[in-house]
Amino acid sequence: GDSVTQMEGPVTLSEEAFLTINCTYTATGYPSLFWYVQYPGEGLQLLLKATKADDKGSNKGFEATYRKETTSFHLEKGSVQVSDSAVYFCALGSGGSNYKLTFGKGTLLTVNP
Amino acid sequence: SAVISQKPSRDICQRGTSLTIQCQVDSQVTMMFWYRQQPGQSLTLIATANQGSEATYESGFVIDKFPISRPNLTFSTLTVSNMSPEDSSIYLCSGYRGNTIYFGEGSWLTVV
Repeated sequence: GDSVTQMEGPVTLSEEAFLTINCTYTATGYPSLFWYVQYPGEGLQLLLKATKADDKGSNKGFEATYRKETTSFHLEKGSVQVSDSAVYFCALGSGGSNYKLTFGKGTLLTVNP
Repeated sequence: SAVISQKPSRDICQRGTSLTIQCQVDSQVTMMFWYRQQPGQSLTLIATANQGSEATYESGFVIDKFPISRPNLTFSTLTVSNMSPEDSSIYLCSGYRGNTIYFGEGSWLTVV
């Protein structure tokens, strides 16, 4: 079945450091790929998405590129801020319209000033 | 985008009781879903809420434990029945529209 493997945390960085959170997937067909973020005490928010190979999703300085050849969707940000501290979930969408989500285990990011 | 509201946002429940969580979307969505996030864990899909018919449950989840209703295109309920401490989780409602899945803020249930 479908699965998502995500870099285990926690990840601790200093402000303005470069961030990479690795995500790889296993799926049949052509899934959509998502990154969701969960800030402390809040619900899940869509951060970015990509719906086909070589698409790049971007939002709030975060980027991820859908790499079919390596089945990966790594999240990157060039300069993190304290406000980026959150749990990040990589997810794969499958089903007829790619609406059934399979999530990775989440990566806790803490950014120190 | 879609705004999804859930009630209650938090509750403490007694063992053996049942609780119904309501999910309201600000406008029509094609599909609605219920997820569970156990403490420190990722999200797991419980079921797809189908309008006017029985929900479609994922492996490991059954209707007797998690009855779901969806009377129209913008509203759904999830009941957690005969609760035990293992049901302490965040329950999230989500809606699908425009190739994107949106989530509510979750209902944080603690069973004592």
